[in-house]
Amino acid sequence: DTGVSQDPRHKITKRGQNVTFRCDPISEHNRLYWYRQTLGQGPEFLTYFQNEAQLEKSRLLSDRFSAERPKGSFSTLEIQRTEQGDSAMYLCASSLLDGWGTDTQYFGPGTRLTVL
Amino acid sequence: AQSVTQLDSHVSVSEGTPVLLRCNYSSSYSPSLFWYVQHPNKGLQLLLKYTSAATLVKGINGFEAEFKKSETSFHLTKPSAHMSDAAEYFCVVSPANAGGTSYGKLTFGQGTILTVHP
Repeated sequence: DTGVSQDPRHKITKRGQNVTFRCDPISEHNRLYWYRQTLGQGPEFLTYFQNEAQLEKSRLLSDRFSAERPKGSFSTLEIQRTEQGDSAMYLCASSLLDGWGTDTQYFGPGTRLTVL
Repeated sequence: AQSVTQLDSHVSVSEGTPVLLRCNYSSSYSPSLFWYVQHPNKGLQLLLKYTSAATLVKGINGFEAEFKKSETSFHLTKPSAHMSDAAEYFCVVSPANAGGTSYGKLTFGQGTILTVHP
């Protein structure tokens, strides 16, 4: 088990371009989360999946953002028509509910997006 | 709705002295609480978690935290700081339903940057 992985680690794009990020969770985890972290702030929740189902989306997730988890394994986060305000670290986490009813999330290294 | 307040944005200690990072939370039901650490240009690493099994929680690298419901606090401590502890620390709350099962999004505090002087 190699933990949560994310690809790419860094992405530089021009304003108006589309970008897609990938997250591979820990293999037995059925929940997958996306967060966004801007400089000097704590991560903010974007959306999460339980298996294939997207169960919650933040109001931060504008219409330009879409996330999928088609087979309940890896997930993709796409941002269309990027804006400079989208520049941030995008973090993925996965979890499996334990016997205490606790959802402990394990994070990947993140994808740092810079929009020029 | 839940929220987290980390009372100090920066804490500076000398190597070998105690560390105290303060956190207060707000939650509708008994929450799950976590501390995560983020070293520069690294991902978030779980330090410890509170799940209602015991109020004093021990984590990795000598850290521990005490859950105090009456004070709605979950402060992080370490008896003796090491240079490698220098990082940003996040106090985090996870909502729970009436049955005590946690679900969904984490709410992070603003973070406390810990500096350790030799």
